[in-house]
Amino acid sequence: DIQMTQSPPSLSASVGDRVTITCRASQSIRGYLNWYQQKPGKAPNLLIYVATNLQGGVPSRFSGSGSGTVFTLTISSLQPEDFATYFCQQTSTTPWTFGQGTKVEIK
Amino acid sequence: QVQLEQSGAEVKKPGASVKVSCKVSGNTVSDSSMHWVRQAPGKGLEYMGGFDPDEGEIVYTQKFQGRLTMTEDTSTDTAFMELSSLRSEDTAVYYCATAGLTLGEALDNWGQGTLVTVSS
Repeated sequence: DIQMTQSPPSLSASVGDRVTITCRASQSIRGYLNWYQQKPGKAPNLLIYVATNLQGGVPSRFSGSGSGTVFTLTISSLQPEDFATYFCQQTSTTPWTFGQGTKVEIK
Repeated sequence: QVQLEQSGAEVKKPGASVKVSCKVSGNTVSDSSMHWVRQAPGKGLEYMGGFDPDEGEIVYTQKFQGRLTMTEDTSTDTAFMELSSLRSEDTAVYYCATAGLTLGEALDNWGQGTLVTVSS
């Protein structure tokens, strides 16, 4: 199975900060990398699909980049509602796999 | 707008089976690429299995092979996930989710989750 490794596992940031989360795949997944946001007690919500595409309704402060084995999620200016846990997921090869998550906390 | 409505929480004893349902509205279950993901308390997301468009069939994560069965009832547009031989480590919230075929199979619609507790 393809292993997905996110870094950092957690981070503290302030409103207005630029935040970057990295996801590395154990082998090339081309561009089949998705990002989800999850808040406590809720189902995950799709933010970015196929590495760079913003899902409908997601604010433009979220962006994704990368290809092959290294991908990033960037929040350009962190807002209070962005404090959550973020997961990457590869859909290149079954079984699909998730990263372990990055918790974004208030500084 | 596709919506997924899951069945309620379950408490099971070790060794038992659990069957969680996921009713699809806004589309038919047969036109949906259905997948199941679980999340143990305080842990990350774990992909269990779902429809593989390249294979044209349901594919299960090897970890669950032999214990996991995913089925559909097209008459009620409901998908089911049945996990057998339950152990305490299977205590988790189980989510159904549909993949967008134009979204690189990203999971764009999720059920609300079903808590399954395995305890003697």
